[in-house]
This record gives sequence, structure tokens and C-alpha cells, in this order.
Amino acid sequence: QKEVEQNSGPLSVPEGAIASLNCTYSDRGSQSFFWYRQYSGKSPELIMSIYSNGDKEDGRFTAQLNKASQYVSLLIRDSQPSDSATYLCAVRGRDDKIIFGKGTRLHILP
Amino acid sequence: IAGITQAPTSQILAAGRRMTLRCTQDMRHNAMYWYRQDLGLGLRLIHYSNTAGTTGKGEVPDGYSVSRANTDDFPLTLASAVPSQTSVYFCASSATGTGGYTFGSGTRLTVV
Repeated sequence: QKEVEQNSGPLSVPEGAIASLNCTYSDRGSQSFFWYRQYSGKSPELIMSIYSNGDKEDGRFTAQLNKASQYVSLLIRDSQPSDSATYLCAVRGRDDKIIFGKGTRLHILP
Repeated sequence: IAGITQAPTSQILAAGRRMTLRCTQDMRHNAMYWYRQDLGLGLRLIHYSNTAGTTGKGEVPDGYSVSRANTDDFPLTLASAVPSQTSVYFCASSATGTGGYTFGSGTRLTVV
């Protein structure tokens, strides 16, 4: 059974601090990794994709991938109240299907 | 139309009734998917289609059927709704390859 695991939270972070979200996956052959943001009552929105080991930065967001440890993370710098949402980790496996984690609820404290 | 359009936005349905959730995309994506999202269970794949004319079963296909007559449309049908099918349903699409999915805005279905 392929799995993507996330801490459900809520993760509370003061405004302006760095939020760190973590994810592990079970399919060692996975090649593509994604982070989605989902506001309450809305659909998931793709915010980051990463395909190779290391860091990928996009504005205030940095995705980190370590395939040896089967670990993906998302860092949000200078956290804003508008970053309060549920963040879904998603992994595309060898069968080309994307498996989603259950999400981590992030709450930015003003 | 921009992206993926789902209809209806929400629906209250009597148990035993038949219902079709509509999904249309204008991005010419080959692959389309139906998910349901329930509190504590996350997104679960119901059915998928890798290309027009083909469909496959996901993690929770029982009670649901799909068709893919063309690239743009991927309707989901509940033949005889039951209360356990109360959920938020998301349609998604992707180009083949390594990219992520684009999601529609969802349909909130309540079966009573």
C-alpha cells in the first residue's frame, strides 16, 4: 500500500516566522513531488513541484526533497495570516498516479 | 471556461436517486480524475481516465461510474445514491508526464 504521511496539525506559527511542513512517502520509485494549498471550502491549489534532490525556491516558499530518506518538506518564510490553510503533500509514483497525504493544517498567529 | 468547471456546486439528493456530477476542462489535458474528500480521510481517488475512451478504477470506485467520450468531459454518475456518498467531490486533470493535477472547484453532495 503506497502511503504519503503528514502530521495533521494544527501547526501554529507566529506571523513573520518560518513555517516548516513535513511529509514522508513509502514508494521509493516515486519521481515527482508536489505541495498543494487548500483553503477551507476551496479546492486544492498547486503551489510547488520538485523532481530532484535538494531545494527549490519560489518566492517565500522552499520545497526540499531527500529521496534517500523518502522525505519532502515545505518551508514558508515570513509567514502571513493568508498562509493559514491546509497543505497537502502529493507524490506521483511509478504507476503515474498521484497519492495525496491527508494534509497539515497551518495556522499563522497575527 | 477557464481550467476545470464542475457542476453543480452543491446538491442535496434523496437516497436511491441517480445523480451525475459534471466535469469539463478546456486545457486539452489527456488525464482526468475524480476524487472525494472527507474529513479525516483526505482525498481518495474514485475513477480516472488516462485518455479519451479509457477509464480505470481508483481506491473507492464502488457505487460510482464514469465515461470519457471525449477529451474535455468526464462525468461521474451515482447510480443509486446512499448516505455514505455524502462528500465533497473534486474533478482534476493533468497533461501526461510529471506535472501535478489541476482541480475543479468541487461539488458538495449531501445524500439524505
